[in-house]
Amino acid sequence: TQLLEQSPQFLSIQEGENLTVYCNSSSVFSSLQWYRQEPGEGPVLLVTVVTGGEVKKLKRLTFQFGDARKDSSLHITAAQPGDTGLYLCAGGRYGNKLVFGAGTILRVKS
Amino acid sequence: NAGVMQNPRHLVRRRGQEARLRCSPMKGHSHVYWYRQLPEEGLKFMVYLQKENIIDESGMPKERFSAEFPKEGPSILRIQQVVRGDSAAYFCASSPLDSYEQYFGPGTRLTVT
Repeated sequence: TQLLEQSPQFLSIQEGENLTVYCNSSSVFSSLQWYRQEPGEGPVLLVTVVTGGEVKKLKRLTFQFGDARKDSSLHITAAQPGDTGLYLCAGGRYGNKLVFGAGTILRVKS
Repeated sequence: NAGVMQNPRHLVRRRGQEARLRCSPMKGHSHVYWYRQLPEEGLKFMVYLQKENIIDESGMPKERFSAEFPKEGPSILRIQQVVRGDSAAYFCASSPLDSYEQYFGPGTRLTVT
């Protein structure tokens, strides 16, 4: 059974601070997706990484896929209240189901 | 460019009734996935379908749950004789052929009273 462990579970920070969320597994994934979910809504895809060592940037968000494709990280620079939400990592294989981590609840205080 | 559509958004059923959840994938997407999010739990895979075919139903409970994706029309997740433990948010996702990426709908919140 493939499992994805996310840490931390909860994160409460002040506006302007930096943060990193981690996603780790003992299994190799072909791809790793990061989603953000607001209360009462579905997950919104932020990024997909597929190559070991790959780094992708989306404005203030930086995503990295580990060399062995077993782990990933999401780094947010200068967090803003609008970044508040549930961040989910999900591992998958081509054309197959996604395995989700339990999520990181981020709260950014102004 | 409409996203994944799900309806209803909220559904209330009494124990023993049937629940039907609908999902229309994004235009051009041929793969549909259903996931369930129980209170205080993460998203769990239920079933993966292509048009007229169930590809992987390893996450579906063995009884009372069924899914279809007909040639025409939306994908349907059907829960017969609902019980309180079925109360959850049910999400549908779709992806195009030859892609890792899955795009989620807004979900259906099922409450069993």
